[in-house]
Parts: sequence; C-alpha cells; structure tokens
Amino acid sequence: QVRLVESGGGVVQPGRSLRLSCAASGFIFNSYAMHWVRQPPGKGLEWVAVISYDGSDKNYAESVKGRFTISRDDSKNRLFLQMNRLRAEDTAVYFCARDITAGWFDPWGQGTLVAVSS
Amino acid sequence: NFMLTQPHSVSESPGKTVTISCTRSSGSIASSYVQWYQQRPGSSPTTVIYEDNQRPSGVPDRFSGSIDSSSNSASLTISRLKTEDEADYYCQSYEGSDHVVFGGGTKLTVL
Repeated sequence: QVRLVESGGGVVQPGRSLRLSCAASGFIFNSYAMHWVRQPPGKGLEWVAVISYDGSDKNYAESVKGRFTISRDDSKNRLFLQMNRLRAEDTAVYFCARDITAGWFDPWGQGTLVAVSS
Repeated sequence: NFMLTQPHSVSESPGKTVTISCTRSSGSIASSYVQWYQQRPGSSPTTVIYEDNQRPSGVPDRFSGSIDSSSNSASLTISRLKTEDEADYYCQSYEGSDHVVFGGGTKLTVL
C-alpha cells in the first residue's frame, strides 16, 4: 500500500543543521509532487516546502526560506529536507506528504520530531 | 496571501450533527479547492474531504463538505456523530504552487 516513513529527527542545538528523510513506497514516486508540513507541539499544521514531481520547482514558507532545502532522489524513492541554522521555533513534528492533485495531501507519514534546544 | 480561520473548538452530543466552518480572509473561496483533514491525538492527519466536497473511499458518508461564496467559507459537516469522530479537524487550501494554507484547526468534542 502507499506508505511514507520519515526519519532523521532528534534534538539539536540552535544554529546547527539536521537532515530529514522520507522513504516512499507503494506508488510511482517520480509522478508526484511532495511536501513537508510541520506541527509544533500542541499547535496546528504549518506548510513548510514543496518540490515538483521532477524536482525542477521548489517553494518554501517564508519562515524557512533561505535556511531549509527540499530535495528528492527518485532512484531511491526518497524525499529530503535539509534544515540549516535551526531555531527554537523550528521545534515540531515534521511530516512528509504526497500531493495527489490540486493541493490535496495524501497520505501523510507518521512524522519525525525535531527539537531545537540548547 | 490569504488565511483560513476556523473556530477553536466545537462540541456536540453523539447522534447529532455538527458543522465546522473555515473562512477565507481574501480572494474567493471558490478559486481553489478546500481539503479537510482529521487528526486524532498522536496520529498523522488523514483526509476526510478533498476538492471541496469529495469523500475518499473508506470515509463514511456522515462526512460532507461544501463551500459558500456568499460567506467566502467552506464547511465540514459531520452527521450522526460518534465518539470516534472526536479529533482535531483542519481545513487547507492553496494559491498557485507556492502558497499552501492550513486553518488553525478545530477541536471536536463528542460528549
């Protein structure tokens, strides 16, 4: 079945970097745009970034622009999020999600927690 | 850029009907599709409505979605409420390819 599994989260100091990974299975990965969405503890969902199906187009939320980079490796069916210059406000569960069509996200992975703390 | 505003919380009794609103701050609600996601505690979001009013397979027909241009809002209606419907619900829409917006979420309590 269609499945997304995130990994790479953990505790990191402010200013440091972390790379998240999302392993996709059960569908033709290179046919879909992919997103990262985050959720701070006890708060709502915030869209982070999107990459087009072929990797040629990437867009970011203003809050992460210039610090985060989304990428994909279609040979490995993997999505990545490189997070640099991390801040306390980046603390959240990070989800990857497939964009089925017209901004419909489905499914979502189980999420990976990133905690930025000194 | 626009925002989506939802009530912070709603509550209703089992067997009743509840409607959750999602109001778009600028631009037409009809200009881009609205999705609704259900998130139970400790779980990732799942789709209950996509493209304004479509239900994915496996979602009961107790869930329905609509949009209202006069109020520039979308609505999620859940009828014949069950205790298992208790969850957070998020509306979501977009503008172009670089502006995805989520509502702040509504906590549904079924008591």
